[in-house]
Amino acid sequence: DGGITQSPKYLFRKEGQNVTLSCEQNLNHDAMYWYRQDPGQGLRLIYYSQIVNDFQKGDIAEGYSVSREKKESFPLTVTSAQKNPTAFYLCASSIQLSLGELFFGEGSRLTVL
Amino acid sequence: QKEVEQDPGPLSVPEGAIVSLNCTYSNSAFQYFMWYRQYSRKGPELLMYTYSSGNKEDGRFTAQVDKSSKYISLFIRDSQPSDSATYLCAMSVGKAGTALIFGKGTTLSVSS
Repeated sequence: DGGITQSPKYLFRKEGQNVTLSCEQNLNHDAMYWYRQDPGQGLRLIYYSQIVNDFQKGDIAEGYSVSREKKESFPLTVTSAQKNPTAFYLCASSIQLSLGELFFGEGSRLTVL
Repeated sequence: QKEVEQDPGPLSVPEGAIVSLNCTYSNSAFQYFMWYRQYSRKGPELLMYTYSSGNKEDGRFTAQVDKSSKYISLFIRDSQPSDSATYLCAMSVGKAGTALIFGKGTTLSVSS
């Protein structure tokens, strides 16, 4: 089945540690996105990518980094510079940027201890 | 003024009720309007997708877009406990280089 796979589903980290969240899609979509979701805040865009080896900052990119070396993969690194990293992280993809339906993964819940 | 405003609720209704969920927006360039449903601890899934103004119906769900008022609605008829979820509106101008703008979501609870 086609879709988006995020891993891990739950992750705990200590303060000061970097952590990488995986996102893989087999939908052959060009565009991929990372969103952060906090209670009462809705979805906030962290980074997005229109094509391999290209990505753009979203509204809340500080403390995060991404790479897009392969079309199907868009990993997100939450660095120690992110002041409040505990959140639910969602990866999504679409055929092209801003066109068509956004398909979401199941999400990764990161908790900083 | 935020680009997209959505009442977060929570909204509680009895089974069988008609539910109305709404969003207002400020950017008149928005052309594509979507409603996503998100169950607890899951990713959102697309429920309805409309272009420009008008109504679209799919089973118990009806999406309405009123571009003159910058207002969109999602109606759920004969609501079921399985409809209990967070509903997110989303919209875009449909041009390359722009991303989807989401509302904050409305949490709905349907009791049996």
